[in-house]
Amino acid sequence: RKEVEQDPGPFNVPEGATVAFNCTYSNSASQSFFWYRQDCRKEPKLLMSVYSSGNEDGRFTAQLNRASQYISLLIRDSKLSDSATYLCAVNPRYSSASKIIFGSGTRLSIRP
Amino acid sequence: GAGVSQSPSNKVTEKGKDVELRCDPISGHTALYWYRQSLGQGLEFLIYFQGNSAPDKSGLPSDRFSAERTGGSVSTLTIQRTQQEDSAVYLCASSPRDRTQETQYFGPGTRLLVL
Repeated sequence: RKEVEQDPGPFNVPEGATVAFNCTYSNSASQSFFWYRQDCRKEPKLLMSVYSSGNEDGRFTAQLNRASQYISLLIRDSKLSDSATYLCAVNPRYSSASKIIFGSGTRLSIRP
Repeated sequence: GAGVSQSPSNKVTEKGKDVELRCDPISGHTALYWYRQSLGQGLEFLIYFQGNSAPDKSGLPSDRFSAERTGGSVSTLTIQRTQQEDSAVYLCASSPRDRTQETQYFGPGTRLLVL
């Protein structure tokens, strides 16, 4: 089982729709969770850090479910510009210096 | 402030040649990662430097790949005897890596094409 897993998609939704996708992680001791966005032929950029209480930034909401070991990203009122690949990242905390691990990404395409 | 920079931005080389890719992280960032990304694929972890700790080389695909980080700053990824399957975008990221800030800041990448 991969340490961090995502549904690769693509998710193809109409503009204005609400879309959500999850990212599961295998190590229950994981701390530090992130969502990154990667546009085509560009580098990934941080979208949101995910806190235990969940957090919201405009149309984007990220949540952490420790019991089921997943994080989620919800996008409301989707825009054409939201089309991108969304990568989740997790620090499994095997040690104080353990590396962040990325999922393989979920492709999102918003259609007019 | 200045972000992560990488050079060259594009590199075309012939099979069998060696290449060096450079990464200049954000000043003061103690963590530095190298990733490889093929077209339409996810990030493939290569190597991770954290402060003075021994680097995590667990992602290097073969002994043709090596990396160093001098003085805790600039890093060079070297690929010896390049093969066509090495063609990809090589991304570098740095991070402050204190307990409250683990965000990775990515450079624009080096696009490597091996003919």
